[in-house]
Amino acid sequence: QVQLVESGGGVVQPGGSLRLSCAASGFTFSSYGMHWVRQAPGKGLEWVAFIRYDGSNKYYADSVKGRFTISRDNSKNALYLQMNSLRAEDTAVFYCVKDNRGYSSWYFDYWGQGTLVTVSS
Amino acid sequence: QSALTQPASVSGSPGQSITISCTGTSSDVGSYNLVSWYQQHPGKAPRLMIYEDSKRPSGVSNRFSGSKSGNTASLTISGLQADDEADYYCCSYAGSSTVVFGGGTELTVL
Repeated sequence: QVQLVESGGGVVQPGGSLRLSCAASGFTFSSYGMHWVRQAPGKGLEWVAFIRYDGSNKYYADSVKGRFTISRDNSKNALYLQMNSLRAEDTAVFYCVKDNRGYSSWYFDYWGQGTLVTVSS
Repeated sequence: QSALTQPASVSGSPGQSITISCTGTSSDVGSYNLVSWYQQHPGKAPRLMIYEDSKRPSGVSNRFSGSKSGNTASLTISGLQADDEADYYCCSYAGSSTVVFGGGTELTVL
């Protein structure tokens, strides 16, 4: 069955950096687009970024553009999110999410359990 | 990328039907057949319930149905059960390779 396991969350100071990872299994990772979606404590869901199945195209929410970078290593079945210039408002649970297609279906059929990122001094 | 508008809360008794609305604009909900709905129980990851406005993934009960009219999408849950109590989020493609979520609706089963 599909499994998505995030790691790399933790506490970081404002202005700092963090790299999230997602280990995927149970499906042909290299055939599907992948997203990151976040949820601030007690708040709603916010789409963060998407990468196509082959890494050829990447798209970002305006709130993270220029600060976050999504990437993938299909040889390792892994998805990453490099987060720089972190702000207090980036504090959230970050979910690794599978798209239903290689390019984009723009809906999310499997979700990981999430990793918490806390930006605080 | 403004959030879609959902009611903060809805409630219903077991066996009843409820409908959650999701209002967007002609730039998102009204332009694409790409509205999806997610169920989230406390402390859990979201789960896909409806995609492409009205399609149901395998494994999702046929008590859940989706529809859309103009800039407003709706999720209807019939035959309410205790386990349906959760937060529900709508989501729409918003053009330019971006996605927007609704603010979420808390469903209480009385």
